[in-house]
Order: sequence, then C-alpha cells, then structure tokens
Amino acid sequence: EAGVTQFPSHSVIEKGQTVTLRCDPISGHDNLYWYRRVMGKEIKFLLHFVKESKQDESGMPNNRFLAERTGGTYSTLKVQPAELEDSGVYFCASSQNDRLINGYTFGSGTRLTVV
Amino acid sequence: EDQVTQSPEALRLQEGESSSLNCSYTVSGLRGLFWYRQDPGKGPEFLFTLYSAGEEKEKERLKATLTKKESFLHITAPKPEDSATYLCAANSGGGADGLTFGKGTHLIIQP
Repeated sequence: EAGVTQFPSHSVIEKGQTVTLRCDPISGHDNLYWYRRVMGKEIKFLLHFVKESKQDESGMPNNRFLAERTGGTYSTLKVQPAELEDSGVYFCASSQNDRLINGYTFGSGTRLTVV
Repeated sequence: EDQVTQSPEALRLQEGESSSLNCSYTVSGLRGLFWYRQDPGKGPEFLFTLYSAGEEKEKERLKATLTKKESFLHITAPKPEDSATYLCAANSGGGADGLTFGKGTHLIIQP
C-alpha cells in the first residue's frame, strides 16, 4: 500500500512569494490532516478534512494560509504571501475512521524555507 | 488548553542499557495517547495507542504504559537501530480530532 505522499520535499522561496504544498493521502482514507513543525517547537495541528469538507481549521495561523481538498482526494496548502515565520516542516497525515486503533499515517513532510 | 510535555529532551545510552522516556499530559477527556517514532527526514511512524490508565502495549524492545497523568516508553536492551526521536501525542475528546504533540525525546544508542 502506498503511503502518504507529499511534494515538494523542499521549497525555498522569498518573502512575499506564494507556495503551494501538496499531499496525496492513502487511498480510501477520508480523514486528512495538516500539521506544522517550526524549528525548536513541537508539531502543531493546522486543520482536518473529512473527505472534501473542512472539519476543523482551528490551528490555521492566519488568512494567508488556504487549504483545499479537491473531490476528497489530494489536498493542497497554499501560503500567500509567505512570511519568514512560515518556515518549518509541513506534515500531512491521513487516517481511516479507526484512527484511535491504527493511528494516523504521516507523510515525510515538506521543508519550507522563507528567505 | 491541552498540553503534552516530554522528558528528557535528549538521551544517550549504550547498546543494551535499558531506560524510560516520559510523557506527561494535561488534556480534557483523553481519547487516546499515541507514541510515534521519527527518523531524520521522515514523518512520524505510528507505534502505539493507549486508552486508559493501567494499559500496557509492547512491540519488540519497546513497552508503553499509561497512568492518569503520564505515559512511559520503556526501552529494553536497545540497539543502535532504535536511535530516533520518540514523540508522544494526545487526542482529546474536545471535539477536535487533531493530535497535540510533545517536543519529543531524541534518543541515541551507541554501539
């Protein structure tokens, strides 16, 4: 079974530019999550999709961040315009409804550097 | 606000030297306490979920236990390939389904 795929793996952009991160969850996983780890801090929850609907976006930092999930399949996270403090590793995770038993499967992350 | 704190931040052990990692949590209505392993450049890899105080789960050289306030990850006779960052995370019953993570313990096992 293919895992959670994220790309790009690395992105370096200038302050003020736009970046779009993509996540392909495990096929059949209705639940998709975005997380972020800023250097020196813990991994923090950003938002949760159930199929194409945003279930919880309480962790989104501000309105420069926009997440979408087309047709309940892959998801994108757009940062526009990017600021220096947006640098970090962005993780995507997916799960079936048995996540409390089998956990959440994470991708390898996208390392975003804003210069 | 839910909070998860892990200690120590880093731990260096000799091969075969057993030890424990600590995770203390303050969450409203714990639904599950998760342990993950993370290798450099990779995403967290699921190890265990614990649900209630007194529960224990084992996987190879790892055993996770849970009390009402803490969870421990015991590593017995570790090998160099056990070197990784171990993350603890809580899922609470507050309506949100996201995980609250600790900062992790960076474990190094020296041959």
